[in-house]
Amino acid sequence: NAGVTQTPKFRVLKTGQSMTLLCAQDMNHEYMYWYRQDPGMGLRLIHYSVGEGTTAKGEVPDGYNVSRLKKQNFLLGLESAAPSQTSVYFCASRGNPTYEQYFGPGTRLTVT
Amino acid sequence: AQSVTQLGSHVSVSEGALVLLRCNYSSSVPPYLFWYVQYPNQGLQLLLKYTSAATLVKGINGFEAEFKKSETSFHLTKPSAHMSDAAEYFCAVDGGSYIPTFGRGTSLIVHP
Repeated sequence: NAGVTQTPKFRVLKTGQSMTLLCAQDMNHEYMYWYRQDPGMGLRLIHYSVGEGTTAKGEVPDGYNVSRLKKQNFLLGLESAAPSQTSVYFCASRGNPTYEQYFGPGTRLTVT
Repeated sequence: AQSVTQLGSHVSVSEGALVLLRCNYSSSVPPYLFWYVQYPNQGLQLLLKYTSAATLVKGINGFEAEFKKSETSFHLTKPSAHMSDAAEYFCAVDGGSYIPTFGRGTSLIVHP
């Protein structure tokens, strides 16, 4: 039981490049979330999903897209990376009726 | 609407001293409340949660928190700090929307 895993762990992009971050969970959870963490800002929700095939915008969705084609996977895409997207990205999942979230180890992204 | 305020971005204690991390919340409905801990270069992990059962909640590593509705608070305490407690701590509130709101975090520094 691996919990929540994220790929890759580190990435450096040039401005304008694109990439996809992969999140996978093996707990059969319905809810999945993508956050970014910046110093002094806590966690900010980018997008979330309440089930396979559904996605919704969070607090800071601009510049990101997501897909949830399979229940266990939640992909976060950056179509044209900007330096403002330099951050640590965390994926989380949550089951029902449990209330707490389970977090992945994070992806550290630098955009130059 | 829901919100969380963590008082103090940094808290410094001596090893063996009492740890007190403050969290105040706002929620229009009875909330679920959480404390998460983040060690350097890791994801968040659940310390404890309040889900409308006992108001005094015990978590891992000797931490506990008390839900006080009249004060809209959920402060985290530990009687005796250990060096290994040095980490970032996040309080979160969920008013039943399955989209928790996180505080900005409190960095706990433990001096020998």
